[in-house]
Amino acid sequence: EAQVTQNPRYLITVTGKKLTVTCSQNMNHEYMSWYRQDPGLGLRQIYYSMNVEVTDKGDVPEGYKVSRKEKRNFPLILESPSPNQTSLYFCASSLRGSANEKLFFGSGTQLSVL
Amino acid sequence: GDSVTQMEGPVTLSEEAFLTINCTYTATGYPSLFWYVQYPGEGLQLLLKATKADDKGSNKGFEATYRKETTSFHLEKGSVQVSDSAVYFCALMLSGTYKYIFGTGTRLKVLA
Repeated sequence: EAQVTQNPRYLITVTGKKLTVTCSQNMNHEYMSWYRQDPGLGLRQIYYSMNVEVTDKGDVPEGYKVSRKEKRNFPLILESPSPNQTSLYFCASSLRGSANEKLFFGSGTQLSVL
Repeated sequence: GDSVTQMEGPVTLSEEAFLTINCTYTATGYPSLFWYVQYPGEGLQLLLKATKADDKGSNKGFEATYRKETTSFHLEKGSVQVSDSAVYFCALMLSGTYKYIFGTGTRLKVLA
């Protein structure tokens, strides 16, 4: 089954403790991206990647890092999480990032930073 | 800057009522426009899209027309069902980029 898998589904952590949210897709997609969803703000793009070793900033990249060492994986790294990064995070992918393609979304990761 | 504005929710309708969710955008160039739907506890799913002016996207009884003159992409459905209850997001992809901008989402609740 074609899917985007995020882990973990829920995560509670403390300020300053490094964490990684994993994202994996099994569709051989070149384009992958990360979003955060906050009440009243909708989804905002954090980072995106056009292919292996090619990443770029979205609208809210501060406090986040990403890497794309393999085509299927696109982890989101919070080196020193802060409470304002408490949010619902989504990973998404598409074949080449074209506007003619649909984004496939993961089920989300609810992160709480205390 | 580039942005997407959606009507505030929640929108509450009775089954078989007509639905309109307004969406307007501000963007340079010629963006592509999308409606995504999010059911409780799930990620977003593409509902429909339009990539150029005057295109009409349609799917599952929903429709939206890309109106460049009014910079709008309003979502409509002639007869909603309880199963349409969800959050609807209007979004655009800036032309020449791979960046998406989403609206804040509109929650729809359909009562039987």
